[in-house]
Amino acid sequence: AQSVSQHNHHVILSEAASLELGCNYSYGGTVNLFWYVQYPGQHLQLLLKYFSGDPLVKGIKGFEAEFIKSKFSFNLRKPSVQWSDTAEYFCAVPNQAGTALIFGKGTTLSVSS
Amino acid sequence: NAGVTQTPKFQVLKTGQSMTLQCAQDMNHNSMYWYRQDPGMGLRLIYYSASEGTTDKGEVPNGYNVSRLNKREFSLRLESAAPSQTSVYFCASSTGTPLHEQFFGPGTRLTVL
Repeated sequence: AQSVSQHNHHVILSEAASLELGCNYSYGGTVNLFWYVQYPGQHLQLLLKYFSGDPLVKGIKGFEAEFIKSKFSFNLRKPSVQWSDTAEYFCAVPNQAGTALIFGKGTTLSVSS
Repeated sequence: NAGVTQTPKFQVLKTGQSMTLQCAQDMNHNSMYWYRQDPGMGLRLIYYSASEGTTDKGEVPNGYNVSRLNKREFSLRLESAAPSQTSVYFCASSTGTPLHEQFFGPGTRLTVL
């Protein structure tokens, strides 16, 4: 069965530090991968997604993620975080039937100014 | 466009009471979803509806029922609330399969005493 794991539960960084959040998946079919973000008090929104092609995917607000097939990973990166990046980040994959998403447990990012 | 709307925003129930969470979307999306979000657990799918007139169980359906009233509306009912159902509930919709971006509502924070 499909699954996704996020290794970092809570990450604390200072502004301008670089960010990398881990995401590993197990998936039996065509790989489709997503990162969603939930800012404090707001609802989830799509950050970026990978379907095929270039394994380096760029999303909103300067975020990017790299799909590494050999490592079953889709880590989220940002070269220089801002205080406004404080949020919870979720990695997701489709379920086996392709009818819904399976979300990881989430990583809380706290950025201090 | 209002996007995905949910009512109520907050609710407190006593054990054994029933209630219905309402969700509506104005984006003409075919698919709709109900998730619950618990600390350290991420988002877990309760039920989904791939199209009007169809509903299917997700990962944690026990204790819940759903109704896809029409293309716009997808309600979640708790027949006999239990403290374990204390959670934040999110409704989401997408054009078709979850490979398309899911748009989330603002959530309902439910406490069962």
